[in-house]
Amino acid sequence: GQNIDQPTEMTATEGAIVQINCTYQTSGFNGLFWYQQHAGEAPTFLSYNVLDGLEEKGRFSSFLSRSKGYSYLLLKELQMKDSASYLCAPMDSNYQLIWGAGTKLIIKP
Amino acid sequence: GAVVSQHPSRVICKSGTSVKIECRSLDFQATTMFWYRQFPKQSLMLMATSNEGSKATYEQGVEKDKFLINHASLTLSTLTVTSAHPEDSSFYICSARSQQDYNEQFFGPGTRLTVL
Repeated sequence: GQNIDQPTEMTATEGAIVQINCTYQTSGFNGLFWYQQHAGEAPTFLSYNVLDGLEEKGRFSSFLSRSKGYSYLLLKELQMKDSASYLCAPMDSNYQLIWGAGTKLIIKP
Repeated sequence: GAVVSQHPSRVICKSGTSVKIECRSLDFQATTMFWYRQFPKQSLMLMATSNEGSKATYEQGVEKDKFLINHASLTLSTLTVTSAHPEDSSFYICSARSQQDYNEQFFGPGTRLTVL
């Protein structure tokens, strides 16, 4: 079957760094997306990895290891506005995104 | 990036009425649109995949006669919740995939449906 495994909730301090891990199993693979979702809003795109390695985009970086079925999202210089849910979504062979419940990130001052 | 709009953003209706939600791709042509539903503190659940000019493909457990989907053009898909009941109250989100970039989906802002 297809499944996503992420921590349910994480807490970090403003200004710090946090890494959100994701392991996945899919039928085929066409890349992995990370989305941010604030409460009551639709997801917004953060990153896309299709090859192994690290993709850096400002304060956010995303890493992928296809052989391990593993990805992480790294958030640096955390700000209060980064409090949100972070969704790891691999894309299967049918180009459909597979969604887990996401990781709720709580930032404390 | 590409923009997807949804209308209305919020709707409150009485039980038994029907509600139509529109999803539009504003600056690109979307051959495929996806309709999701999300209950509080739960993951996005794919309801159906809609391809322009053809019938939608519904996920298991989603009643196609209750959730009517029409994708009549490359920029518009509609979801009609027929005979809505309180258990249909949820956050409905559409996303669109362009002809040019098959890998990326662009999300609309979502529609909050409350059925009294």
